[in-house]
Amino acid sequence: GQNIDQPTEMTATEGAIVQINCTYQTSGFNGLFWYQQHAGEAPTFLSYNVLDGLEEKGRFSSFLSRSKGYSYLLLKELQMKDSASYLCAVSDSNYQLIWGAGTKLIIKP
Amino acid sequence: IAGITQAPTSQILAAGRRMTLRCTQDMRHNAMYWYRQDLGLGLRLIHYSNTAGTTGKGEVPDGYSVSRANTDDFPLTLASAVPSQTSVYFCASSDQGGSTDTQYFGPGTRLTVL
Repeated sequence: GQNIDQPTEMTATEGAIVQINCTYQTSGFNGLFWYQQHAGEAPTFLSYNVLDGLEEKGRFSSFLSRSKGYSYLLLKELQMKDSASYLCAVSDSNYQLIWGAGTKLIIKP
Repeated sequence: IAGITQAPTSQILAAGRRMTLRCTQDMRHNAMYWYRQDLGLGLRLIHYSNTAGTTGKGEVPDGYSVSRANTDDFPLTLASAVPSQTSVYFCASSDQGGSTDTQYFGPGTRLTVL
């Protein structure tokens, strides 16, 4: 079967750094997406990785290791507005997105 | 403002009733999708359409139907609602289907079936 695993919830302090992990087992791999979803709102795109390595985009970075079936999202200089759920999704062999349940990130002052 | 709109925002529905959730996009995207999001579960694909006039089944299609008469609209119909269809429904679109194009989401419809 296809499976995406993420921690259910994480807590971090404003101004700090947090790493949200995602492991996956899917039938085929055409890339991995990270989305942000604030409570009661739609998911919005953060990043896409298809090759191994680190992609940096401002305060957010995303890493991929295809051999390990592993990705992480790194958030630096945390702000209160970063409190949200972070969704990991893998594009499978049919280019359909398989979604993790999401990691709820709580930022404390 | 370009984007995706969904209607209604929320709805309470009696079991056995028919309901159509509306979705419209103005980005001229070829592909559109319907997902449901339930607590503790990832988004699950119900149906998709890679281009106007074609539709396909996703992971959880039973009890739902869709149509794609034109590029902009992709309605989702529950023929006879059941309580297990209580969920938040998101419509999404992307430039091309069958690709890794980014999907853009509508604001969602919160549906409660009693």
